[in-house]
Amino acid sequence: GNSVTQMEGPVTLSEEAFLTINCTYTATGYPSLFWYVQYPGEGLQLLLKATKADDKGSNKGFEATYRKETTSFHLEKGSVQVSDSAVYFCALSVNTGNQFYFGTGTSLTVIP
Amino acid sequence: DAGITQSPRHKVTETGTPVTLRCHQTENHRYMYWYRQDPGHGLRLIHYSYGVKDTDKGEVSDGYSVSRSKTEDFLLTLESATSSQTSVYFCAIRASGTGYNEQFFGPGTRLTVL
Repeated sequence: GNSVTQMEGPVTLSEEAFLTINCTYTATGYPSLFWYVQYPGEGLQLLLKATKADDKGSNKGFEATYRKETTSFHLEKGSVQVSDSAVYFCALSVNTGNQFYFGTGTSLTVIP
Repeated sequence: DAGITQSPRHKVTETGTPVTLRCHQTENHRYMYWYRQDPGHGLRLIHYSYGVKDTDKGEVSDGYSVSRSKTEDFLLTLESATSSQTSVYFCAIRASGTGYNEQFFGPGTRLTVL
């Protein structure tokens, strides 16, 4: 079946620290992979995506590379800011993208 | 901004009462989705629609029904609300067009069933 596993939170980092949030997936077919971010009291916003193996998605200093050999799509940022405090969700869609499969979310808090 | 609104944004109701949540979109997208978000579970799909009057069940559809009588509106109904349906409900659309398959989300409805 299709599923996403992401690292348990919460994660607390100091400002300017390096961030990695691990995400691995299981999928039938050839999935597209996504990272979404949810700020307090808001809906999910698309952060970045990758649609095929070895693609790198990037946005706002965040990056993730689609690794087919390790079925992974880890989120990274070189220097986090307080404003990056949010919950991050890894997700995949397969085939026509009719359905998405989400991880359970990783809460990130960045302290000054 | 995908032009998605949800109403109401907050609702408190009592066990056994019917509740309807509305999702409205302004960009004529074909696919619409209802999710619930609960701690430790992430987002779980309740129902989705692939056109007017065309809907299908998701992972957690028991106790929920949906209707889509026009492209822009997708309604989620709890026929007889239970405390286990206390959650935050998100509507989403799937972007249309070649190469687009990401979903965009509304702001959410926080539902409390007492």
